[in-house]
Amino acid sequence: QKEVEQNSGPLSVPEGAIASLNCTYSDRGSQSFFWYRQYSGKSPELIMFIYSNGDKEDGRFTAQLNKASQYVSLLIRDSQPSDSATYLCAVIKTGFQKLVFGTGTRLLVSP
Amino acid sequence: KAGVTQTPRYLIKTRGQQVTLSCSPISGHRSVSWYQQTPGQGLQFLFEYFSETQRNKGNFPGRFSGRQFSNSRSEMNVSTLELGDSALYLCASSLDGGSTAGELFFGEGSRLTVL
Repeated sequence: QKEVEQNSGPLSVPEGAIASLNCTYSDRGSQSFFWYRQYSGKSPELIMFIYSNGDKEDGRFTAQLNKASQYVSLLIRDSQPSDSATYLCAVIKTGFQKLVFGTGTRLLVSP
Repeated sequence: KAGVTQTPRYLIKTRGQQVTLSCSPISGHRSVSWYQQTPGQGLQFLFEYFSETQRNKGNFPGRFSGRQFSNSRSEMNVSTLELGDSALYLCASSLDGGSTAGELFFGEGSRLTVL
């Protein structure tokens, strides 16, 4: 079982819709959760992090964490073609100062 | 301020050779992590350095090694290259790798092709 699992996609949504990206993790000891965005041919960039159960909003982005279900999600409201990228979920386990990444979900937003 | 700088950006080697990649972190960042990215495996953690000490290590063979200098610059070395080592090698820096361990700033990567 992979430590961080994501559906590879592509997830296709029309412009203006809500894109929902999901991620599950295997280690209950995981404490910190991150979403990175990677455009084709570019390096990953951090867009959000969440540490506590519940929702965290930042502009059009909302991260959701449910530790009981070992589930993290990222919602992108009013999706734009410029949001088309691969979204990487990553976690840090307690006691291990390294970031473990999922393989990413490719998002395509059509005009 | 300047971002994470990686050199070289592209390189081609043959099997059996060795390669050294360099990374200069963001000024003030003391933690440097290295990742290998391939289409099939995604981002795989290689190792992390902090204050010239390797603090964490991933599940890669001993052919992969690294070091960090007193100015926080880091190098990684791959010896006896294999075809499967062809990948994008990404360096990332963070302030201290502790509470900010997940807040990584990535360089543009070094794309290694092994023939």
